[in-house]
Amino acid sequence: GQQLNQSPQSMFIQEGEDVSMNCTSSSIFNTWLWYKQEPGEGPVLLIALYKAGELTSNGRLTAQFGITRKDSFLNISASIPSDVGIYFCAGRGSGNTPLVFGKGTRLSVIA
Amino acid sequence: NAGVMQNPRHLVRRRGQEARLRCSPMKGHSHVYWYRQLPEEGLKFMVYLQKENIIDESGMPKERFSAEFPKEGPSILRIQQVVRGDSAAYFCASSPLIMRERGTEAFFGQGTRLTVV
Repeated sequence: GQQLNQSPQSMFIQEGEDVSMNCTSSSIFNTWLWYKQEPGEGPVLLIALYKAGELTSNGRLTAQFGITRKDSFLNISASIPSDVGIYFCAGRGSGNTPLVFGKGTRLSVIA
Repeated sequence: NAGVMQNPRHLVRRRGQEARLRCSPMKGHSHVYWYRQLPEEGLKFMVYLQKENIIDESGMPKERFSAEFPKEGPSILRIQQVVRGDSAAYFCASSPLIMRERGTEAFFGQGTRLTVV
């Protein structure tokens, strides 16, 4: 089946630092999504990407859909303590087909 | 709050009992997806349903697990004769009929955490 490789698995950073994480896939996706999950909660959609090469921002978050359609990255600038959580990438092939998720990047921010 | 509603939030079952997890999609959403998340893992797809139809159940174990999305009422994920390995967080997501347009993505509920003792 389709698999997503997400890295790094975890990050410990100082408040104010920038963060970068990425996902790669063995197959092509038509949509890339980035979600954040906090303890005891469901994933919350951060950014959705629909076109190869697309670069989209949401506040301090920026994500890009790779040209090959097999990868995506998420950047967080000037991190703050509330950025703590697990960030998941997810890809979708076409239409309403189910999402394939990465294993997540666990972000810790040290004040 | 018009988001995806899941209940119960926490469910404890003894081995061999049945677990029923409920999901009410967002208003206007006719597609429901169930995912399972083990500790320290990402979400794994289980089953995709439209009203009264199972579209894709390729991620759901063939035995003991079943899902339905009736014409009226919530979607139900049913696990019969639960075992310790069924302990996980189960998430439901819903989406509208067509997801080609921006802003019409799948939105997740808060999950049901099943513990089998």
